[in-house]
Amino acid sequence: RKEVEQDPGPFNVPEGATVAFNCTYSNSASQSFFWYRQDCRKEPKLLMSVYSSGNEDGRFTAQLNRASQYISLLIRDSKLSDSATYLCVVNKHGGSQGNLIFGKGTKLSVKP
Amino acid sequence: DAGVTQSPTHLIKTRGQHVTLRCSPISGHKSVSWYQQVLGQGPQFIFQYYEKEERGRGNFPDRFSARQFPNYSSELNVNALLLGDSALYLCASSLAVGRGNEKLFFGSGTQLSVL
Repeated sequence: RKEVEQDPGPFNVPEGATVAFNCTYSNSASQSFFWYRQDCRKEPKLLMSVYSSGNEDGRFTAQLNRASQYISLLIRDSKLSDSATYLCVVNKHGGSQGNLIFGKGTKLSVKP
Repeated sequence: DAGVTQSPTHLIKTRGQHVTLRCSPISGHKSVSWYQQVLGQGPQFIFQYYEKEERGRGNFPDRFSARQFPNYSSELNVNALLLGDSALYLCASSLAVGRGNEKLFFGSGTQLSVL
């Protein structure tokens, strides 16, 4: 089993749609969880951290289920500018944030 | 303030050659990490350095080495290049090494092509 697995995508959605990405991780001892966004040929940028209680930032909502080792990202009212690859990321057990494990990413394409 | 800077932005090498990639962290950041991103994959951890000491190493062969200088800048060296080393090499900096919740900032990367 891969350490971090994501929906394969790509997701092609119309503007205004709600889209959800899922991710599972294998190491139950992982302590920190994140979603990063990566535009084509650019560096990854932190979108949001993911907390056990769930957290929201505008149109974006992240959820963590430690029992199921499952992370999700919900994007409401999709914009053209949301088109990117979304990377699910966990830290390695006992490791600092410098040592992160990235999923392969899920590509989102928002169409007019 | 400048973000994480990497040089060069693009590099073309042939098999068997050696390459050195450079990274300057954000001012005040003391930790630098290196990642390799092959096309279609997520970034893969190579090394982390903090205060000039190696704090973590990923599953890469000994051909890969790195160091951090007193000014916290860093170099990644790859010897005996293989075609499979072709990738985007990303440097990331953070203030310190903590319990996993400190923010990480990436540079725009060095695109290495091995022919």
